[in-house]
Amino acid sequence: QVQLQESGPGLVTPSETLSLTCSVSGVSINNSPYYWGWIRQSPGKGLEWIANIHYSGRTFYNPSLRSRVTISVDTSQNQFSLILTSVAATDTAVYFCAREVVPADIPGVYNWFDPWGQGILVTVSS
Amino acid sequence: SYELTQPPSVSVSPGQTARITCSGNELPRHYTYWYQQKPGQAPLLVIYKDTERPSGIPERFSGSSSGTTATLTISGVQAEDEADYYCQSADSSGPSVIFGGGTKLTVL
Repeated sequence: QVQLQESGPGLVTPSETLSLTCSVSGVSINNSPYYWGWIRQSPGKGLEWIANIHYSGRTFYNPSLRSRVTISVDTSQNQFSLILTSVAATDTAVYFCAREVVPADIPGVYNWFDPWGQGILVTVSS
Repeated sequence: SYELTQPPSVSVSPGQTARITCSGNELPRHYTYWYQQKPGQAPLLVIYKDTERPSGIPERFSGSSSGTTATLTISGVQAEDEADYYCQSADSSGPSVIFGGGTKLTVL
């Protein structure tokens, strides 16, 4: 079955750059109709979508985070990654990676996420 | 900016029916999806394309949508259904993904 696993540092210093990777197993990122996305959840808060990417390089970003976010894909490693620059305490959150299921008749970013990774807690603190 | 609005909390007794709403001006144009999230866990998809139920999700979970409001209905609520529920749809202006603020379902 399809599984996703986030990895990266659990602690990041304010103003520095956060880098996370999502490793995908059970399906090849390459040559598949899916998009791959990052979603975060601040402690005790709701879900906030960050960005999606297709293996072709097509991307979608949350406009409120766009200036600080880069999403990329490494098909050779079957992974995709997130970079968030100039982090602050408000970026402290559990970061989830997930697969966006894309039916043939609906374009990317309009669809549901399934499955999700278990999430990784990232704390921004000095 | 565009928002999806959910009630912060819903409470029901076991065996009753819980209805969780999600309101948004663009819902007539885009599908709504629903997730269940229990403490310390990742969200789990329970409804997609407004009304479809993924395999493995109990039949007591159903979805509907009319106009600017989508509804997740849990019939015969069980204690194990106590969780946070989030709706998701799309914002055409981005385009981008948007989530509702979440509803905490309490089983009394």
